[in-house]
Amino acid sequence: QQQVKQSPQSLIVQKGGISIINCAYENTAFDYFPWYQQFPGKGPALLIAIRPDVSEKKEGRFTISFNKSAKQFSLHIMDSQPGDSATYFCAASARGSGNTGKLIFGQGTTLQVKP
Amino acid sequence: DSGVTQTPKHLITATGQRVTLRCSPRSGDLSVYWYQQSLDQGLQFLIQYYNGEERAKGNILERFSAQQFPDLHSELNLSSLELGDSALYFCASSPGQLQETQYFGPGTRLLVL
Repeated sequence: QQQVKQSPQSLIVQKGGISIINCAYENTAFDYFPWYQQFPGKGPALLIAIRPDVSEKKEGRFTISFNKSAKQFSLHIMDSQPGDSATYFCAASARGSGNTGKLIFGQGTTLQVKP
Repeated sequence: DSGVTQTPKHLITATGQRVTLRCSPRSGDLSVYWYQQSLDQGLQFLIQYYNGEERAKGNILERFSAQQFPDLHSELNLSSLELGDSALYFCASSPGQLQETQYFGPGTRLLVL
């Protein structure tokens, strides 16, 4: 129940295209859903995050769509650029789980944007 | 640069040995998190400290332990190392103890031979 399932495992998109990565969860106590971006040799960095009181959040070319009833959320990267080539992780945490911000991560998606 | 520093960057050791990984959080951050990243398990939460106190534990092995010192730096101790402990170990920090941006360090790559 603590798992976050992420798909696809890898994704190849042409420059200018839309990249879509999906995540699903079971634990209804999860109430914070961040996406992290990781470049080779670097630590993950927060890209965008959403809470379940909204269905969508947009920051520049990056949008999170959230479906509470389906327990799914997704990352959309519009106008994908070669510089977006990285590994993307969805994550979740539950505020009520004992004063901790620990994150449960999905397995990651390796995105390659072809020029 | 996230402001989180980790040392060493790389560590090669033998099975059965003990190593210590060090993390300095961003200035002002009170929480330190440790995560293990491996090819088969992905990013796994190990443990969180907040202002010197343990806040949460994940699937951390009994051979592993951690602490956060008064100056807020943290150390992760790995003992009786096994081949399967080879992984990237990340430290992250955040200002508080709950849901907020976690800033990850560059990681320590551990190779157990």
